[in-house]
Amino acid sequence: DIQMTQSPASLSASLGETVTIECLASEDIYSNLAWYQQKPGKSPQLLIYDASSLQDGVPSRFSGSESGTQYSLEINSLQSEDAATYFCQQHHDYPRTFGGGTKLELK
Amino acid sequence: EVQLVESGGGLVQPGRSMKLSCAASGFTFSNYGMAWVRQAPTKGLEWVATISYDGSSTYYRDSVKGRFTISRDNAKSTLYLQMNSLRSEDTATYYCTRNYRGFFAYWGQGTLVTVSS
Repeated sequence: DIQMTQSPASLSASLGETVTIECLASEDIYSNLAWYQQKPGKSPQLLIYDASSLQDGVPSRFSGSESGTQYSLEINSLQSEDAATYFCQQHHDYPRTFGGGTKLELK
Repeated sequence: EVQLVESGGGLVQPGRSMKLSCAASGFTFSNYGMAWVRQAPTKGLEWVATISYDGSSTYYRDSVKGRFTISRDNAKSTLYLQMNSLRSEDTATYYCTRNYRGFFAYWGQGTLVTVSS
């Protein structure tokens, strides 16, 4: 199985700041990486797929990038509504696997 | 508008069975693969199973293989998950998702399955 190691597990940031969340794949997943946002008590929402393609309706302050097997989600100009847990997921192979999640708290 | 509405969750004893349903609307159901993803209380996300658009191909995580069966009825735009021999570790909220190239752009609200005596 492909392991997705996500970091950090939690972070705290202020409104207007930029934060980066990372996921390291245990093997090459050929850019088949998605990012999701989940708010408490809600279903996950797709933000990015194919490592850097923005899902329709997602604000442009969210962006994805990659370097080898390391994938990053950057959130610019943090807004209060960005407080959530973020998950990465590889969609290259079965079983589909998710990162452990990053809880983002706004100061 | 794409809508996925799960039903069938609840409390079940270990070793018993339960069947989840997911009613889909707002898109041509028979054109898309579908999947179930679960989330144990306060835990992360875990893919469970995927079925192709026509039901001809299915994929499962190892821990549910042989116990769970994913199926669909395209005439009714409904996805199913038959869960047998349930274990306490199957306790989770189960989400119905629309699958496209392995990622999940649409999710239902989830249905909670609690396996406990």
